[in-house]
Amino acid sequence: DAKTTQPPSMDCAEGRAANLPCNHSTISGNEYVYWYRQIHSQGPQYIIHGLKNNETNEMASLIITEDRKSSTLILPHATLRDTAVYYCIVMIYNQGGKLIFGQGTELSVKP
Amino acid sequence: GAGVSQSPSNKVTEKGKDVELRCDPISGHTALYWYRQRLGQGLEFLIYFQGNSAPDKSGLPSDRFSAERTGESVSTLTIQRTQQEDSAVYLCASSPLAGPLNEQFFGPGTRLTVL
Repeated sequence: DAKTTQPPSMDCAEGRAANLPCNHSTISGNEYVYWYRQIHSQGPQYIIHGLKNNETNEMASLIITEDRKSSTLILPHATLRDTAVYYCIVMIYNQGGKLIFGQGTELSVKP
Repeated sequence: GAGVSQSPSNKVTEKGKDVELRCDPISGHTALYWYRQRLGQGLEFLIYFQGNSAPDKSGLPSDRFSAERTGESVSTLTIQRTQQEDSAVYLCASSPLAGPLNEQFFGPGTRLTVL
């Protein structure tokens, strides 16, 4: 699976947009970009995924660059409850959906 | 509806003992995944089931680890002759089908401590 690179930590002010970057420069054409988050002491929670088009759902937006070598997860109006570790994962289509987690970005939303 | 449940929530055992960890997936979910998370680390994939078969066991760290699933429902992860390095949170997830287009729903995990 393609490796991902994320900053280890970020801060964001409550109510502002949180933009979390992810580099996946070795991604191949059949690999999807997934984002999960893990709030302290809980199991991970799915946020969003995409292949090459930008995606939006009720939680977040995912912006994938045209060359697919990087992506950004956007939480439009961060709240204190969004404080968590955010994982960017690339997944090959035919590998059964197993998730290979990196170290993630620890996002701290501050009042 | 009910989510993924795991039992026990906490397990303390002595080095060398065997332990069994249980996962009850969401009803109707045919895919089931086991992951391990050591303190301060990201999750490590262990094994996944599609139905009762395990197409990918590549993450099991040694032959002391095994898992089974019966009736396309409950799964049990067994660790024989536990070692201190087995201490971790063991997480189970399920999804409607195995594959990248299916969100995985995680349980709360079992925290295993090997003394």
